[in-house]
Amino acid sequence: ELKVEQNPLFLSMQEGKNYTIYCNYSTTSDRLYWYRQDPGKSLESLFVLLSNGAVKQEGRLMASLDTKARLSTLHITAAVHDLSATYFCAVTSSSGTYKYIFGTGTRLKVLA
Amino acid sequence: GAGVSQSPSNKVTEKGKDVELRCDPISGHTALYWYRQRLGQGLEFLIYFQGNSAPDKSGLPSDRFSAERTGESVSTLTIQRTQQEDSAVYLCASSSPRKGRSSYEQYFGPGTRLTVT
Repeated sequence: ELKVEQNPLFLSMQEGKNYTIYCNYSTTSDRLYWYRQDPGKSLESLFVLLSNGAVKQEGRLMASLDTKARLSTLHITAAVHDLSATYFCAVTSSSGTYKYIFGTGTRLKVLA
Repeated sequence: GAGVSQSPSNKVTEKGKDVELRCDPISGHTALYWYRQRLGQGLEFLIYFQGNSAPDKSGLPSDRFSAERTGESVSTLTIQRTQQEDSAVYLCASSSPRKGRSSYEQYFGPGTRLTVT
């Protein structure tokens, strides 16, 4: 059974600091996704990572994928208050199913 | 273009009543998903539909939950004899593996907030 774990679950950080959120998954997967969710809102797609070594960047966020380690990271550079949200990673199985399994989420709070 | 829409946006119902939640996916998207998100928690997979294939119902928590989809369009999630533990936000998402995009990226609707009193 495919399982996805994120850590930390909660993260409070000062503006201007850097930090990394980790996403581990239990079995082979061919795609990994990062989403952002603001309080009371739906999910917004941030990144789609399709291959080992893939790296994508958007503003202060950078996501990477290591399929051998079954690990993805979401790195935050010089955090700003607007990045406060909950971040989810999700994977799909490499068996061809379209089923997505989501991580537990990381609730990020950036303090001014 | 229009995104995924869901209705109603909020639903308050009494324990024991049946409720029906609706999802309109993005036109042409063959895959449709339902998730449940309890307050402060992650997304719990419920069911997905892919074209004319049999739906994957493995995430439905009990036989009180059911879902239907007409072709590649609207889907309804029905919860019978609602219980207080059914209170959550129900999110719908659609994706389009057949459109030549290898990413199978999901697009989420705004959700239906269900409160069972």
